[in-house]
Amino acid sequence: GAGVSQSPSNKVTEKGKDVELRCDPISGHTALYWYRQSLGQGLEFLIYFQGNSAPDKSGLPSDRFSAERTGGSVSTLTIQRTQQEDSAVYLCASSLGGLAGTDTQYFGPGTRLTVL
Amino acid sequence: GDSVTQMEGPVTLSEEAFLTINCTYTATGYPSLFWYVQYPGEGLQLLLKATKADDKGSNKGFEATYRKETTSFHLEKGSVQVSDSAVYFCALDRNTGFQKLVFGTGTRLLVSP
Repeated sequence: GAGVSQSPSNKVTEKGKDVELRCDPISGHTALYWYRQSLGQGLEFLIYFQGNSAPDKSGLPSDRFSAERTGGSVSTLTIQRTQQEDSAVYLCASSLGGLAGTDTQYFGPGTRLTVL
Repeated sequence: GDSVTQMEGPVTLSEEAFLTINCTYTATGYPSLFWYVQYPGEGLQLLLKATKADDKGSNKGFEATYRKETTSFHLEKGSVQVSDSAVYFCALDRNTGFQKLVFGTGTRLLVSP
């Protein structure tokens, strides 16, 4: 079976533009996560979706960031009015959504975003 | 807040050398601990994990023991191979609600023949 896929793999944009990043989770996985990896920093949690529940947005750095998950599957992370500090690798992960201690997240290859 | 600290890389070793990558954490309660690995051009993969104190996680010859007294989860391998060259990430989860991973900055391992 296919793993988590993300598109595009690379995105270069100009400051002030909006961007959309896409994540296709593993089929059957009810939980979906977005992380950000900035240069020299660890992965930073952004947002979590579980089934039809309201997402946990506690990691979103500003209101310019938003995400949605349609039909409990594909997710889109949108960054409005991009800034240079948004340059990073954005990673998506999915999991079966079991208990935290037993669950395993499977990561996609990431989207490298560069804001000029 | 919760945090994970890893040794800075790169770690450069010759094939068959012994590997240790240090990881310490700060967290309240009883977190689960993880090592993830990212091979060149690939996504992060779970390497091993431990969910309680004194547990040892192991996989592919790698081991790490959950040491609550020293808040550590050091990764070890007795004999590294060139194919082990990758970036290794230590992470924790507080086991409250969903699995919200807190990662270290990663340590790059380079193994030469």
